[in-house]
Formats: sequence, structure tokens, C-alpha cells
Amino acid sequence: TQLLEQSPQFLSIQEGENLTVYCNSSSVFSSLQWYRQEPGEGPVLLVTVVTGGEVKKLKRLTFQFGDARKDSSLHITAAQPGDTGLYLCAGARASGTYKYIFGTGTRLKVLA
Amino acid sequence: DVKVTQSSRYLVKRTGEKVFLECVQDMDHENMFWYRQDPGLGLRLIYFSYDVKMKEKGDIPEGYSVSREKKERFSLILESASTNQTSMYLCASSLLFQGNLQETQYFGPGTRLLVL
Repeated sequence: TQLLEQSPQFLSIQEGENLTVYCNSSSVFSSLQWYRQEPGEGPVLLVTVVTGGEVKKLKRLTFQFGDARKDSSLHITAAQPGDTGLYLCAGARASGTYKYIFGTGTRLKVLA
Repeated sequence: DVKVTQSSRYLVKRTGEKVFLECVQDMDHENMFWYRQDPGLGLRLIYFSYDVKMKEKGDIPEGYSVSREKKERFSLILESASTNQTSMYLCASSLLFQGNLQETQYFGPGTRLLVL
């Protein structure tokens, strides 16, 4: 059972546009991470959010963890072609065996 | 820089063959993971290991086994490959076990396996 749903699944936008990617679950997570994966490579960690309501900024990327720690969003301002890739969220389970649950992924293409 | 390498980028195997996927990390990480990645399903954990000779099942262990004889090496074994195991396989490693909410997983480039 997939516990983390991402939306949209695909997104194609023009350079300079803004976008938001959502990561939703019915489960509570102790922390949530966002990764970006480029073609032919493994995912690379962008950020980890830990506290409910936390907002982190990484240049043009803004990450927010929901107050209830069940959801998260990634907002990109003025997207650039270099932002193209697969974005994955991953939640650390609040209890039970150590493991991360990965989201379904959002494939972003930014056109020049 | 942490480096996670996987033995092959592409593999083509026949149904019923035994398949070995090798992963090596060079940063003395305790934890190692095997995931498979399929479109629309994200990454799903197959097995993970938090120490030499230790292993735990992930979410989809059926049809797979693993081996960790040395700290830096984690192998995924498909005992009898089937067409539904055609996928991208990703290996990852991380430094700490539980309790660290800021833990980072470092991924290899992946092995794309086609089972005919």
C-alpha cells in the first residue's frame, strides 16, 4: 500500500513560471525529505523537515511540512531548465521498523 | 564525497536465471538499502541492512534475497528472475541507524534490469 501520494504526477511548464508539488498521506511522519532525481542518476537529497509547520528555503525552492506532519509541499519560484527532474518526497515513519516511505514522484520539465 | 556504486547500469536476463546485483559504498556507512523504482509507484524498499550479516525485509521482499558479508558491500539476489521483476534497482547507504531525523540516504546510479 502506497502511503505517500504526490501531485501532480507530471508537470511541464515554461521557464520563469512558479509551481507547487504536493505530498500527502494519512499517516504521521517523524520527518519528511525531498529528493531530486535526474535522468541516469540516483535521487539526491534536497532538504529534510522535522517540525510540524516548518518552512525551509533553498534558493528558489520552498519546502513546507504540514502542521499535523502528514503532508508537505515544494514550491519553486521562477523555474529554470536546470530544475527539470523527478521530485520525490520520503517520510520517516513515526513508529515501527526503521524505513522511509517514498512518494509516487512528480516529473517536472521546465522548457526554455 | 560519498560514493555508492552499482555493478551494472543495464542488465538483460532470461526468465528463471539467477541474478546478482552488487552495491558498494566507500564511506563506512552502517545502513544499506535496496529499492526498486517503477513509474507511478516511486521507490519501494526491498531489503535493508544495518550491519554486516544483518538484514531486514522491506515492503516488497518476495522473490528477492540479500547478502551483506562486508560492511561496504550489499548484494541483491533474484533467485529465479521473472518478467515482473523488470525494473530500475537503486542501492542506497546512510550513516546512522534510527533516532536521527536528519539522516541522508546516498543513492547509486541504479541498475536497469530487463527480464525476458
